[in-house]
Amino acid sequence: DVKVTQSSRYLVKRTGEKVFLECVQDMDHENMFWYRQDPGLGLRLIYFSYDVKMKEKGDIPEGYSVSREKKERFSLILESASTNQTSMYLCASSLAGTVNTDTQYFGPGTRLTVL
Amino acid sequence: AQSVTQLGSHVSVSEGALVLLRCNYSSSVPPYLFWYVQYPNQGLQLLLKYTTGATLVKGINGFEAEFKKSETSFHLTKPSAHMSDAAEYFCAVSDSGGGADGLTFGKGTHLIIQP
Repeated sequence: DVKVTQSSRYLVKRTGEKVFLECVQDMDHENMFWYRQDPGLGLRLIYFSYDVKMKEKGDIPEGYSVSREKKERFSLILESASTNQTSMYLCASSLAGTVNTDTQYFGPGTRLTVL
Repeated sequence: AQSVTQLGSHVSVSEGALVLLRCNYSSSVPPYLFWYVQYPNQGLQLLLKYTTGATLVKGINGFEAEFKKSETSFHLTKPSAHMSDAAEYFCAVSDSGGGADGLTFGKGTHLIIQP
């Protein structure tokens, strides 16, 4: 089975802190994604990557950056956390090739609270 | 640009009754369509997807969905609800045009099963 793991289930940070959310997948998937999930808004794509060192902006990239130095790991970075970044963050991965048809496999999520 | 509308943020059905969750999409090109389910405190998992071919798609746990191009719909159904079906359900669309732009999700429908 595909396994996508996220470094923390719950995280509490202070305004202005630099925050790293880590995601690791164990199935040699090419594509990786970061979403945020908010009540009443569904999931919104922040960034995705289809190869090592490659990244593409999603629908809401402002205030975030990403890093993909190794194929299995995709990090989401909040350079200076703000209270409006309090949310559930979901990482996903998919196999390769045509990004748009592949099943995305999701991690359990990190619930981030910024005080 | 593509978008997804899920009618009803909450749907309540009795155990054993028909489940119908509605999804309409907007896309300028033929879409690929997905239904994901999220159980409490878990990530999302794929229920079913439509890419090409047969418009009636069967998924896991007895769910199915039918792609109706004329109605721009992809409604999810299950003939008989079970208590274990209580969860959040997300409809998603991606662009078949070949662009690597990830998934666009609806806002989700919370399915409540009454005993």
